Amino acid sequence: ETGVTQSPTHLIKTRGQQVTLRCSSQSGHNTVSWYQQALGQGPQFIFQYYREEENGRGNFPPRFSGLQFPNYSSELNVNALELDDSALYLCASSVGGTGELFFGEGSRLTVL
Amino acid sequence: AQSVTQLDSHVSVSEGTPVLLRCNYSSSYSPSLFWYVQHPNKGLQLLLKYTSAATLVKGINGFEAEFKKSETSFHLTKPSAHMSDAAEYFCAVSSFSSASKIIFGSGTRLSIRP
Repeated sequence: ETGVTQSPTHLIKTRGQQVTLRCSSQSGHNTVSWYQQALGQGPQFIFQYYREEENGRGNFPPRFSGLQFPNYSSELNVNALELDDSALYLCASSVGGTGELFFGEGSRLTVL
Repeated sequence: AQSVTQLDSHVSVSEGTPVLLRCNYSSSYSPSLFWYVQHPNKGLQLLLKYTSAATLVKGINGFEAEFKKSETSFHLTKPSAHMSDAAEYFCAVSSFSSASKIIFGSGTRLSIRP
């Protein structure tokens, strides 16, 4: 059984660019949640996908968007990057609404 | 709306002494509560969860937490700290009223003195 994997692990972008982060969910999990964790802060909920549909969204602007694929893997897209988008982006998978999240190690994004 | 407040941003204890990390919650519904641990440059790992069964919840690595509705608290404890316990700890709450999203606190950094 493989755990949650994220790619890339680190990346650097400049303001105004676009980024795509990828997540493979744990085997048997049909729900993926994305979180943003700024340095020294707790993870902030971005959105959740359940069976390829967005199933809840946090307080993030529309330039944060996502997808979930039939194999339950997921992408997080961020357009028009801003300096404050610099953070660790965490993906977590789960089975439905059980609330028990299994996290990947994250993608660390630096925006210059 | 659900929220959690972690009362200490940093806790330092000596190896072998008890650990207490404090968390208060706010929820309009019967909450599910969690404690996660994050080691440096790693993702979060679930320590334990409360889902309205026994109020004293035992987790991994000797940690446990007690749900106290009257105090709206869910403090994390361990009888004897180990050097490997040094990490960031997050209390979290979820509700099944909407999207089952989990809301995290701001974290408590636990340091262990030799």
